[in-house]
Amino acid sequence: DTAVSQTPKYLVTQMGNDKSIKCEQNLGHDTMYWYKQDSKKFLKIMFSYNNKELIINETVPNRFSPKSPDKAHLNLHINSLELGDSAVYFCASSQARGTPQGDTQYFGPGTRLTVL
Amino acid sequence: QQQVKQSPQSLIVQKGGISIINCAYENTAFDYFPWYQQFPGKGPALLIAIRPDVSEKKEGRFTISFNKSAKQFSLHIMDSQPGDSATYFCAASLKNGGSQGNLIFGKGTKLSVKP
Repeated sequence: DTAVSQTPKYLVTQMGNDKSIKCEQNLGHDTMYWYKQDSKKFLKIMFSYNNKELIINETVPNRFSPKSPDKAHLNLHINSLELGDSAVYFCASSQARGTPQGDTQYFGPGTRLTVL
Repeated sequence: QQQVKQSPQSLIVQKGGISIINCAYENTAFDYFPWYQQFPGKGPALLIAIRPDVSEKKEGRFTISFNKSAKQFSLHIMDSQPGDSATYFCAASLKNGGSQGNLIFGKGTKLSVKP
């Protein structure tokens, strides 16, 4: 059974379009995250979210917005896509932050976004 | 500002050798230091982790050495195998504060183990 899943695995789109990436976790976790991995493999936190709090990395453009329909899902919406948005986006989840179990994050397989 | 510095960027080791990857951090408020392993086309997966109250943690062939005073920690892979070839990331996270739990990653080390 897949613990953290993302769809689609590949996404190719034109500049200026709006797109979404879906993430689902079946681990019963309370906290979910989005990370961006650039072409040099650098992983950077974009958002962390639980049912009470959204923490936004200050460097993330407001064209990016996470939306959580329920505890098991955290989707990433991107408006007005730019060339620089091309990257691999990873969703992750963990148990409640502040608990010892909450330190371990489980990552999805990633979504490779290419903006043409 | 990069808060976790990782070296080397790439590493080639012969099968059976020892692979060593080093990381240094700046923020003394970090209290959790994991290493993640990433294979091509896959998401990172937790390999081993340590907290600053211990100086070493070993799990099978993988060992983390932690030096709190120097603000450094390292991953040692004993008896390296071709199947260990992957990109390794060190990371750190804060226990308290608004970004609690968010992992700050090093830039990664691409390890190649030659048969």
